Amino acid sequence: DQQVKQNSPSLSVQEGRISILNCDYTNSMFDYFLWYKKYPAEGPTFLISISSIKDKNEDGRFTVFLNKSAKHLSLHIVPSQPGDSAVYFCAASASGGSQGNLIFGKGTKLSVKP
Amino acid sequence: GAVVSQHPSWVICKSGTSVKIECRSLDFQATTMFWYRQFPKQSLMLMATSNEGSKATYEQGVEKDKFLINHASLTLSTLTVTSAHPEDSSFYICSANQDYNEQFFGPGTRLTVL
Repeated sequence: DQQVKQNSPSLSVQEGRISILNCDYTNSMFDYFLWYKKYPAEGPTFLISISSIKDKNEDGRFTVFLNKSAKHLSLHIVPSQPGDSAVYFCAASASGGSQGNLIFGKGTKLSVKP
Repeated sequence: GAVVSQHPSWVICKSGTSVKIECRSLDFQATTMFWYRQFPKQSLMLMATSNEGSKATYEQGVEKDKFLINHASLTLSTLTVTSAHPEDSSFYICSANQDYNEQFFGPGTRLTVL
């Protein structure tokens, strides 16, 4: 049973518009959530994270929202740029923020059209 | 950020042979290294966690006798796929962190078993 779910395998957005990537989780023990960006044949690179004690974290064009009651988080990218085109993975950890064992979703492929 | 390298970046081998993949933390000492596997259109699945100088902890369903992990130093971990078969063909990614801070991922190794 998948503990971290990204139900949209792909998303296409026009340059300059907002990209919203969604992630759902089932394990209530998760207390730290991360988003990674991955290009083909490369390892994931860390993008942004959020602790379960917060409901929002912002870093430049990237904002992550956490709704604990719904066990849902989302990544907003505003404005979207063609260079944002990649696969985005949501990951969760129950390690108290220590980022130990990470459980990943299947990823969402974002395409930003010029 | 810290740099993690993997070698080789891709390898093709015959069925029944063994393949060794190296993961190195280049500019920091990694107390813990993680090995992930990613099949096409699937999420990164944690295979095992290794701490320097101790035996690796394998996730359920991962054969420890088939996937040998050695974490001999604070900057090097190796994954050996023994008696590889076509179903072992996958993208293997390592990550490393120091004292359970942020995980840094390597670029991955594409293994193809003929």
